[in-house]
Amino acid sequence: DAKTTQPPSMDCAEGRAANLPCNHSTISGNEYVYWYRQIHSQGPQYIIHGLKNNETNEMASLIITEDRKSSTLILPHATLRDTAVYYCTSRGGSNYKLTFGKGTLLTVNP
Amino acid sequence: DAGVTQSPTHLIKTRGQQVTLRCSPKSGHDTVSWYQQALGQGPQFIFQYYEEEERQRGNFPDRFSGHQFPNYSSELNVNALLLGDSALYLCASGQLSGQGETQYFGPGTRLLVL
Repeated sequence: DAKTTQPPSMDCAEGRAANLPCNHSTISGNEYVYWYRQIHSQGPQYIIHGLKNNETNEMASLIITEDRKSSTLILPHATLRDTAVYYCTSRGGSNYKLTFGKGTLLTVNP
Repeated sequence: DAGVTQSPTHLIKTRGQQVTLRCSPKSGHDTVSWYQQALGQGPQFIFQYYEEEERQRGNFPDRFSGHQFPNYSSELNVNALLLGDSALYLCASGQLSGQGETQYFGPGTRLLVL
């Protein structure tokens, strides 16, 4: 299973961009990088995923390095409601499971 | 369009009992995965069902079993409950596509074993 490494916590000022890093150096070539977030013991919420190209949707942008060993989730204008635990994970091919670490607790401050 | 739903929301059992948790996938989805999340930890994969068959299993004992019905809904059964089975149980559904399958999570069932 691909192992992901994330900082345990980060702070961000409201209205600023939040950049959350993830190291996934053991990811295999056919595995997608997925990002989820979890707000206070609710179910994880899907944010975005990508394989090798950068991706953007209404929630966030995902930047994946060319060697695919790391990625960054960008929340362009963080709000207080973005305070959550953010998980970086991967899956693909015949591996159907998402493997979660402890994630990054992002705290958005007023 | 309803998302993933789970029932019950909360449950209290005693050691040695058996429990059944239920999940209805998002409309149009055909895979159901179950995860266990202990306090302060990330979700841990239990197993995934597709076409009514278990097609991948995580590192969980045989006390954990499941089923997927023809309408794609699913049940998670846990026998001989232990105190350590207290956790948030999450169901995630997905739809197989050319880009793989993105899993969408339900709100979870919080199980307390006394």
